[in-house]
Amino acid sequence: NAGVTQTPKFRVLKTGQSMTLLCAQDMNHEYMYWYRQDPGMGLRLIHYSVGEGTTAKGEVPDGYNVSRLKKQNFLLGLESAAPSQTSVYFCASREGQLKTEAFFGQGTRLTVV
Amino acid sequence: QKEVEQDPGPLSVPEGAIVSLNCTYSNSAFQYFMWYRQYSRKGPELLMYTYSSGNKEDGRFTAQVDKSSKYISLFIRDSQPSDSATYLCAMSFTILTGGGNKLTFGTGTQLKVEL
Repeated sequence: NAGVTQTPKFRVLKTGQSMTLLCAQDMNHEYMYWYRQDPGMGLRLIHYSVGEGTTAKGEVPDGYNVSRLKKQNFLLGLESAAPSQTSVYFCASREGQLKTEAFFGQGTRLTVV
Repeated sequence: QKEVEQDPGPLSVPEGAIVSLNCTYSNSAFQYFMWYRQYSRKGPELLMYTYSSGNKEDGRFTAQVDKSSKYISLFIRDSQPSDSATYLCAMSFTILTGGGNKLTFGTGTQLKVEL
């Protein structure tokens, strides 16, 4: 049982480049989330989805876009990367409205130079 | 003011010590309180969760919630080197309010248990 898998695990981008982070979960969870984790800031919610075809903004959505075309996948896009987006990105999923536990992926370390 | 405040540490204790980790929060609507453990270069894993006020025990771990003071704690008894990790508190509103039941995290406390 793989749980939540993030691709890639590491990436270095130049300012202005674009990329997509992929999150895949095999637990048939309804809810999926993208967080970023920075020193001293904790985990901050970027975007989330409550089901296939739905997305919503979180706490720090600017500079990011997301899509949830399939229930098992949640994509995070950076259209024009900036050094301020250097961070560790975590995807999480949650079974549904009545379940509290969120399962996290291993993270993607992104550096924008 | 952040909704959830947590001392980032680092906290260093000798093996066998009792560890107390704490968070305060400002939003009285929070109903579910969780503690996540995050090892270096790994994703967070749920350690314990509680609903409303009171204590919950699981082995060497005890989670405590005091809603009147907006204060939650995690106690670790007989701490071990394997407990060395970052501990994040997290909170959410009551499950039925919808809105994706977003989790609001503290910044995390880095704990090191030394031999």
